[in-house]
Amino acid sequence: AQKITQTQPGMFVQEKEAVTLDCTYDTSDPSYGLFWYKQPSSGEMIFLIYQGSYDQQNATEGRYSLNFQKARKSANLVISASQLGDSAMYFCAMREGNSGGYQKVTFGIGTKLQVIP
Amino acid sequence: DTAVSQTPKYLVTQMGNDKSIKCEQNLGHDTMYWYKQDSKKFLKIMFSYNNKELIINETVPNRFSPKSPDKAHLNLHINSLELGDSAVYFCASSQGQAHGYTFGSGTRLTVV
Repeated sequence: AQKITQTQPGMFVQEKEAVTLDCTYDTSDPSYGLFWYKQPSSGEMIFLIYQGSYDQQNATEGRYSLNFQKARKSANLVISASQLGDSAMYFCAMREGNSGGYQKVTFGIGTKLQVIP
Repeated sequence: DTAVSQTPKYLVTQMGNDKSIKCEQNLGHDTMYWYKQDSKKFLKIMFSYNNKELIINETVPNRFSPKSPDKAHLNLHINSLELGDSAVYFCASSQGQAHGYTFGSGTRLTVV
């Protein structure tokens, strides 16, 4: 079974509009973490936001927010006020287990977001 | 200063050759990783070291051998390169579980 599922291979959004990128996950561990990364066409991987499984509130970082619905096992990324520079691949990822000093992170297949002027 | 630096950025080599990719981080992180990103952009973990100790070793051909001389360095040596090894290899580091990885810029390996 897929650990991380991203069902939107590609998305378009108008500049200044908000967009939601979907992510569902599968784990039986009670302690886990969820991440979103951005990969622009230049290739680097940029960490955006983190949500812990025990966090009571949804994570926010600037224009990024993570809509965490634990019962549904979803961790959607919401980008508000899209900018042209937001055009990139977006990866959802999950860390499983209470691994002490280390973590194993599994990535989804990504969603390609294109922001239209 | 680059936080996680990988060299080389591009590597083109013939089948059967042996090559190494170097990675260094100056963040003081305890844990380092190698990930492989294939042509479909799928990222898969290969190895992880914590304070020079191998802690994750996924199903990777034994032609791939990581080496961590100290916690700031994690190198990847690949023997007898094959066409299927062509990919982008990312080094990453982390400290703690809530901060995500800091990735290097990637090494694009092309085997011809």
